[in-house]
Order: sequence, then C-alpha cells, then structure tokens
Amino acid sequence: EAQVTQNPRYLITVTGKKLTVTCSQNMNHEYMSWYRQDPGLGLRQIYYSMNVEVTDKGDVPEGYKVSRKEKRNFPLILESPSPNQTSLYFCASRFRQGRTEAFFGQGTRLTVV
Amino acid sequence: DQQVKQNSPSLSVQEGRISILNCDYTNSMFDYFLWYKKYPAEGPTFLISISSIKDKNEDGRFTVFLNKSAKHLSLHIVPSQPGDSAVYFCAANAGLGSNYQLIWGAGTKLIIKP
Repeated sequence: EAQVTQNPRYLITVTGKKLTVTCSQNMNHEYMSWYRQDPGLGLRQIYYSMNVEVTDKGDVPEGYKVSRKEKRNFPLILESPSPNQTSLYFCASRFRQGRTEAFFGQGTRLTVV
Repeated sequence: DQQVKQNSPSLSVQEGRISILNCDYTNSMFDYFLWYKKYPAEGPTFLISISSIKDKNEDGRFTVFLNKSAKHLSLHIVPSQPGDSAVYFCAANAGLGSNYQLIWGAGTKLIIKP
C-alpha cells in the first residue's frame, strides 16, 4: 500500500530536550515536505527536499532541522524544542515535477511543556 | 502576505444541497491547483485538481472551477453528504521558479447539517 508513515503520532516533551520525528514514504517520490498546522493558519511549510541531499527552507524553518540521506526518509529534528513549537506536524511526499498531488502522513501531535 | 486565501473559516450547508468553497490567489504564475480534505486526527487527502489551462474539472460529486482572470477557484459538492463534513484546503503549485512548492490556504471547515 502506498503510504507516508510518521512516528510518533503523539509526543509530549519538555523544553530543550532534543527530539526527532521520523517520516518514511514507499512511493519513490523525490519531493518531501514538513508542515505544521496551527488553528487559523492552515498548513505552513517548515522545510522541503527536492531530492536526496537537497533541502531548503520553507516559510517557518526557525528551530527545526531536516536531513535527506535516503530517498524514502525525511526526519524532522527539533534540537531544543520550545512551547511555541507545540503543534500538529505533517510530512508529505510527491513526485518532483509540478502537476502531481502530495500524499500526507497521519500527523504528529507534539506538545512541548 | 498570503498568496492563497480561503476567506471563509467555516461554512454550514444542509444535507443534499450544494456546497461551494472558495479560494483566491494572487500569483498569476501558479499553474496547478489542488483541493484537499482533512478529517480530525488524520492527514489531508487529495480530492481534486485543475490545471491552469482548464476552467473546469469534474469528478463525481466534486467539481472545481477556475477563473484565471479573477484569480479565483471554487469547489462545488453536489449533493452534500454528512461524510463531507471536514476541513477543506486549497493549494496552488508555485511552479519551477519556486521549486514547485505547494502554497496553501488556511482552510474552510464545512459542516453538513442533517
């Protein structure tokens, strides 16, 4: 089954404790993205990757890191989480060239206390 | 500055009637538009799309209309069903010049009343 898998689904952590949210896709997509969803703000892109070893900042990259060492995986790293990073996070993947839809993971609900 | 706007945070429609969700964009270079549906506790799922060379695309109960001169698109759902209650996001593909990023609206919560 074609899918994007995120882990964990739910996470509560404390300020400053490094964490990683994993994302994996099995569709051989070149393009992967991380978004955060906040009430009234829709989906805001954090980082995206057009291919292996190619990453770029989205609209809200501050406080986040990513890496793309393999085509299927695109982890999101919070080196020192803060309460303003409490949000719902989504990973998505698609083929690189424009006119294709993105497939989303189930989401990760992160709470930083 | 928001390049894709969904000005209605919520919309309530009677079951069986037509639901019309609207989306406006500012960048004439956008060449592909998508609608996504999102239920609580799930990721967004693709619904329907339209290329900028078309003005209409239909898939079952869902039709998307594109008015390029007005930079406006709309999603029509006919007839509306209870399972259509969800948040709907409009997105635009920003094209080669912006690395094919998808630009998203803030979403419209559709409530179908029985």
